[in-house]
Amino acid sequence: DAGVTQSPTHLIKTRGQQVTLRCSPKSGHDTVSWYQQALGQGPQFIFQYYEEEERQRGNFPDRFSGHQFPNYSSELNVNALLLGDSALYLCASSLATTGTDTQYFGPGTRLTVL
Amino acid sequence: GESVGLHLPTLSVQEGDNSIINCAYSNSASDYFIWYKQESGKGPQFIIDIRSNMDKRQGQRVTVLLNKTVKHLSLQIAATQPGDSAVYFCAEESNDYKLSFGAGTTVTVRA
Repeated sequence: DAGVTQSPTHLIKTRGQQVTLRCSPKSGHDTVSWYQQALGQGPQFIFQYYEEEERQRGNFPDRFSGHQFPNYSSELNVNALLLGDSALYLCASSLATTGTDTQYFGPGTRLTVL
Repeated sequence: GESVGLHLPTLSVQEGDNSIINCAYSNSASDYFIWYKQESGKGPQFIIDIRSNMDKRQGQRVTVLLNKTVKHLSLQIAATQPGDSAVYFCAEESNDYKLSFGAGTTVTVRA
């Protein structure tokens, strides 16, 4: 049973650049959520995708955008990178129809902005 | 504002003893609570969950207690092992699909 996978593992960018992170959900899951985790803090919700649409969004600027594909995989895009965007970006998947909403996390992508 | 927080940022426990990690939440509309374990360099790992219509749930060596009256959640780990050393997060979810996390408790197991 394949768990949540994310790519790349690590990424280094400079201020002003754009980045795309990728996530494949756990087998059988149809919902993908993205979180940002700064060092020493808990994850902060960015947004959730279900049926290829953004269903819910946290308190993040429009520089953060996403997409969900028909195979349920997802991308997180961040434009005009700032130093403060350096963090671990986590993807979590769940199955919307079960009602349990349990979200399972991937290993994350460590983004460093210089 | 709505937040999920942990009472103590760190917990040191002797190997073999029981651990208790506490969490307070403020959103009375939350109806689903999850405990996650996060080891260094890894993503959060699901431990156990509980819905608001329950006050206790047990898993393998872990028990979660929910007290809705005082909005308190706890995770009990029996016979703590070195592999239990990690950061533990409680998370809450209401009807808006997103999980809200606290800052976490770092558990260190002493040999």
